[in-house]
Amino acid sequence: DTAVSQTPKYLVTQMGNDKSIKCEQNLGHDTMYWYKQDSKKFLKIMFSYNNKELIINETVPNRFSPKSPDKAHLNLHINSLELGDSAVYFCASSQGTGVIDEQFFGPGTRLTVL
Amino acid sequence: GENVEQHPSTLSVQEGDSAVIKCTYSDSASNYFPWYKQELGKGPQLIIDIRSNVGEKKDQRIAVTLNKTAKHFSLHITETQPEDSAVYFCAASPANQAGTALIFGKGTTLSVSS
Repeated sequence: DTAVSQTPKYLVTQMGNDKSIKCEQNLGHDTMYWYKQDSKKFLKIMFSYNNKELIINETVPNRFSPKSPDKAHLNLHINSLELGDSAVYFCASSQGTGVIDEQFFGPGTRLTVL
Repeated sequence: GENVEQHPSTLSVQEGDSAVIKCTYSDSASNYFPWYKQELGKGPQLIIDIRSNVGEKKDQRIAVTLNKTAKHFSLHITETQPEDSAVYFCAASPANQAGTALIFGKGTTLSVSS
């Protein structure tokens, strides 16, 4: 059983396009995250949601808009894609108790902007 | 905000040797310190974690130590095997509310040669 899944795994697109990445978790967790991993493999938080409410919104361009239709899903929509958006995007989830939550990561979506 | 430094950036060992990766953090409010292993093309996988009220934790060949006074923590892998080759990330988090982000170190590429 896949705990945290993402689609698509690879996404190649042209500059200026709009694209979405979908994330689903079947762990029954309340909290979900998006992290970005750059070409040097540095992992950085972008957003977190708890019970469908935005908790963290790091200094990410407003071209990036997360949407959480329900607790099991957190999608990432990106408008007007730029070359610098090329990276691997990871979705993660945690139980959301607020105490000490282990975060479980998805397999990643490699976005390439040409 | 929290800043996590990780060393070394690359580590090469012979099979059977031990490997040690060290991290320091800056925010004394951080109280949760997980370690992740990332294999090529995959998402980070939690391998061990330690809470701030514990100084050491061991799980088979893997151990983690935490020194809160000095704000550093380390990962120890004994009897390394070729399948231990991967990128390892340390992280820190204050974990004081649901949705708190993990702040990652820049990773250590471990190569185990047989």
